[in-house]
Order: sequence, then structure tokens, then C-alpha cells
Amino acid sequence: EVQLVESGGGLVQPGGSLRLSCAASGFTFSNYWMHWVRQAPGKGLVWVSRINSDGSSTSYADSVKGRFTISRDNAKNTLYLQMNSLRAEDTAVYYCARAPAYGGIDYWGQGTLVTVSS
Amino acid sequence: QSVLTQPPSASGTPGQRVTISCSGSSSNIGSNYVYWYQQVPGTAPKLLMYRNSQRPSGVPDRFSGSKSGTSASLAISGLRSEDEADYYCAAWDDSLSGPVFGGGTKLTVL
Repeated sequence: EVQLVESGGGLVQPGGSLRLSCAASGFTFSNYWMHWVRQAPGKGLVWVSRINSDGSSTSYADSVKGRFTISRDNAKNTLYLQMNSLRAEDTAVYYCARAPAYGGIDYWGQGTLVTVSS
Repeated sequence: QSVLTQPPSASGTPGQRVTISCSGSSSNIGSNYVYWYQQVPGTAPKLLMYRNSQRPSGVPDRFSGSKSGTSASLAISGLRSEDEADYYCAAWDDSLSGPVFGGGTKLTVL
């Protein structure tokens, strides 16, 4: 069974940092591209970042470019999102998601809540 | 403001057929596949449709998808109370090098 379990969310002050983790199991993690997608309270889904299967290629939404860094450790079956210079508008549930070969996203984690507030 | 445009709400009575539209541009829907996700509030999204009209195993054939040009639609026939949820369309965007989503459509079963 495919499982994606996020952790690392919490309350952080504006300008602060957090690192999210996503532990993957039930599939060969190193074969899949992965995404981070976020959802602000009461709002829709917004793509944040993606990384290819070996970590050599990444891309970011303009809203987080230069502040967030996506990475992965295929030996540990874990996806990361390092978030720096956090702003109030980064407050959201952050989902880790798997990208199958046919495109799109097929599995999502349960999400971890990040709240940026003083 | 989402890149893909969906109606904010839709509704129907049990047994009816409902359609949700999704409009994009040449850099996303016009040149890439469309995906649909169902999200019950408080839970993670679930893949409902991939590559425009393909259903993952376990998704009832009451759900169908189509795409034409820079628009797509999701149809739900034989509406049931458990279909009440938020529905999101998505497509890869060549300009962004990432997926873009619609703003979501809240489906109410009256």
C-alpha cells in the first residue's frame, strides 16, 4: 500500500524557517517524481515545487522561488521541503504527492499544517 | 486567482447528472492531459480521473471526463450523497514546468 506521511509542520514566526519531511513507503520511491502542493485554509490547491526521481532537476512556483528548496534522499525514501523567510501567506496545509509515469498526481499524503504568525 | 477556471459551485439532486467545467490555455490544457481530484473537506485529495478520461481502479463509471481544446469537463451521473465534495481540475503547464490547478468546485447534493 502506498503511504506518504508528512511531518515537520507547526507554528513559526514571520521570517522563520521550517523543514518538512515526507516519508514514503509501499512503492519504489526512487522511481518517481514528487511534488509539494499546499492548500491555504478554505482555499484551493496550489502547486509549490517538484523534483525528479534522482533529485537532479527541480522547479518552483514563483511565489516560493528563492525561499523554498525541495530535495530528496532516495536511500531514506524521504522527500523534504526546506522553507526559509516564511510569510503569513505561506500558511497552509502542505501535501506531499507522488507523480506517476502517466502524469499528474496519483497519491497524496495526509498533509501537515504550517502556520506563519507572530 | 487560479490558472485554471472552474465554477465555484455546482449542485444536483440524487440520480441527476452534473457537469463541472475547467478552462485553461494553450500552455496547460491545450497541450497536456487533464486530471481531476475529489476532496472531502478535512481530507487529502483523491485522484478521480487521469489523462483526460481514464478512471483509476475503484472509481465508479458514474464519473467521466472529457477534453476539447483548452477546456475540459467532469461529468457525474446518477448523483449520490457521497459525491458531495470539492472537485479540482489540474494540468501540467509548460510555462511553469509544474502542474496548475483550478480553484475548485464545491458540489452539493440537494
